[in-house]
Amino acid sequence: KAGVTQTPRYLIKTRGQQVTLSCSPISGHRSVSWYQQTPGQGLQFLFEYFSETQRNKGNFPGRFSGRQFSNSRSEMNVSTLELGDSALYLCASSRGGKDYEQYFGPGTRLTVT
Amino acid sequence: GENVEQHPSTLSVQEGDSAVIKCTYSDSASNYFPWYKQELGKRPQLIIDIRSNVGEKKDQRIAVTLNKTAKHFSLHITETQPEDSAVYFCAASRGGTSYGKLTFGQGTILTVHP
Repeated sequence: KAGVTQTPRYLIKTRGQQVTLSCSPISGHRSVSWYQQTPGQGLQFLFEYFSETQRNKGNFPGRFSGRQFSNSRSEMNVSTLELGDSALYLCASSRGGKDYEQYFGPGTRLTVT
Repeated sequence: GENVEQHPSTLSVQEGDSAVIKCTYSDSASNYFPWYKQELGKRPQLIIDIRSNVGEKKDQRIAVTLNKTAKHFSLHITETQPEDSAVYFCAASRGGTSYGKLTFGQGTILTVHP
């Protein structure tokens, strides 16, 4: 079974621009969670989507948004990029229901200059 | 919100020794506790998890224990090998419809010397 995939793997953007990252979950998984990983703050939860609905949200500003499509693929968008948004963005998928195990994708490395 | 503290931040052991990493959580409603291993440049990999209705779980050389009263859980690795060297993260969530919202500890860099 194919694992979680993320595109693009690397991205360089300029302050003020916006960016869209994509995540394709494991087949049959209905939940996608997004995390930001930085050396200083570690792994921080952004939001989770389940059956096309945002089910949980972390403590990030409104510049961070996401959505999920009917095939469970998910995208996250960051508008008006700041230098501090430079990070590894990871998504994780899980089956849902009573199956809590989350499996991570390889991440998208975003650099804001 | 939930807060997860993880100790130690670095751990160095000799091959064959045991390694123990400890985490404490603040939200008494948390009931799902996974552990992830992240090698340099790679994705976090789920290695073991435990739910609050279980006190201990083992998988070969890895075990996790949970003390709900004290709100702490630990990862135990026996007979460590150099390939166990990585960063280990503990995490917690409330489960139910909130299981997808994991709060992570700050990580432990484990180095196993041959």
